Amino acid sequence: DTAVSQTPKYLVTQMGNDKSIKCEQNLGHDTMYWYKQDSKKFLKIMFSYNNKELIINETVPNRFSPKSPDKAHLNLHINSLELGDSAVYFCASSQEWAGGRNTQYFGPGTRLTVL
Amino acid sequence: AQSVTQLDSHVSVSEGTPVLLRCNYSSSYSPSLFWYVQHPNKGLQLLLKYTSAATLVKGINGFEAEFKKSETSFHLTKPSAHMSDAAEYFCVVSDLRTSGSARQLTFGSGTQLTVLP
Repeated sequence: DTAVSQTPKYLVTQMGNDKSIKCEQNLGHDTMYWYKQDSKKFLKIMFSYNNKELIINETVPNRFSPKSPDKAHLNLHINSLELGDSAVYFCASSQEWAGGRNTQYFGPGTRLTVL
Repeated sequence: AQSVTQLDSHVSVSEGTPVLLRCNYSSSYSPSLFWYVQHPNKGLQLLLKYTSAATLVKGINGFEAEFKKSETSFHLTKPSAHMSDAAEYFCVVSDLRTSGSARQLTFGSGTQLTVLP
C-alpha cells in the first residue's frame, strides 16, 4: 500500500487556469506538508498542517491555498496559474509536529507544467 | 536561521569505490539532520537521520553519516558505490526553535551522484 500518494502525477495546463493537487496519507500521521521543488532541484517548504490546523505558511503567493478536509488529506489548490509555477510539488507527512525531528515521508511528486 | 550547504553539486565515482557527499549545517540549537535520496522521476526516500543519539548513524543501502558538532558537518559516506546509487542526495536540517513557523526542515541544494562502470 502506498504510504503517501499524490494525484495527479503529471499536470499540464495553460496559464490562468485553476488546478488542484490531492494528497493522501494512510500512515495515521498528524502532520502534512507541501514542498515545491524548482528546476534546480531546490526543495522549499510551502505549507504544513497539524491535525487540520495550519502551522507553517511560508511566503508563497496567495494564489496557493492548502485545504485539509481531514488529517489524512492535504490538497493544494492553485488559482490563476503562472509560468513560474511550473515545478514538482511534493506532499509529505510525519507522525507529529516535534520540531521536525520526526521523519517525513514523501509522496512521489506531481510535476506541474504551465504552458 | 538554520541553513544547509552541500559543498558539491556533482560527485562522480567509479563503481566499487567509496562515496563521500559533504554537508555542512548552521543551526543555533540542537539540530536534527537527515539525508534523503531522490532517484530520477521518483519521490524522496529517507536514507538516515541523526537526532542527538549516536553520532555515527547507519542508514539503508550501506550508507552512513557522522555528526561532527565541532565541524558542523554531517557528511554521507558509503564504502563501495553501486550503479543503483546514482541519484540526487539532499542533506536536511531541522532545529528545535519554537518561535512562530521556524520549526521546519531546510533542504540543501542537492548533490548529484554519478556512478561510472
